[in-house]
Amino acid sequence: DAGITQSPRHKVTETGTPVTLRCHQTENHRYMYWYRQDPGHGLRLIHYSYGVKDTDKGEVSDGYSVSRSKTEDFLLTLESATSSQTSVYFCAISADSSYNSPLHFGNGTRLTVT
Amino acid sequence: KNEVEQSPQNLTAQEGEFITINCSYSVGISALHWLQQHPGGGIVSLFMLSSGKKKHGRLIATINIQEKHSSLHITASHPRDSAVYICAVRNYGQNFVFGPGTRLSVLP
Repeated sequence: DAGITQSPRHKVTETGTPVTLRCHQTENHRYMYWYRQDPGHGLRLIHYSYGVKDTDKGEVSDGYSVSRSKTEDFLLTLESATSSQTSVYFCAISADSSYNSPLHFGNGTRLTVT
Repeated sequence: KNEVEQSPQNLTAQEGEFITINCSYSVGISALHWLQQHPGGGIVSLFMLSSGKKKHGRLIATINIQEKHSSLHITASHPRDSAVYICAVRNYGQNFVFGPGTRLSVLP
């Protein structure tokens, strides 16, 4: 199994508070992704990174920011959590953008905003 | 219209049955992935295809690039195969587009 660790696994927070989710990989993969998964929707891309300090927005990036200061860590921050951000968040990694580079997922973080 | 569609949305089968899940896509791709997600669990990569057919145990995945279609087959299905199966395509870049998933229940 690819070495991807998400923390925390579960979090309950109140509306308006900041929240940071962490994704840590031991594979030295270049690409890291943050997705959210909600009932009725497929996995949706929030932000992704293609290298240290290189990040870009996905389709549902409003209200989220990311940082990648080291190859192994990709942080997702909700600056001021809202109930619409209650979701399961998955981090994923891929070695590169070539067609034969597989995608590996972390175990997910279940976030509840009350 | 979603870029990646799957059918059926839900599927219930009896143990031992042959199962087919379909994926169709409307964009150019460099590769197609089949993923498995157990209830409450993480997401595991089953196959990565750019052409032809791959087999792993009781699972077979095929892709027809010209028709923009892929199928995932499960032979001799078992209750432990119960999961959500997700099709994902990689465009000619760095991102992936995911289908909505097919929820499979295999009854003993």
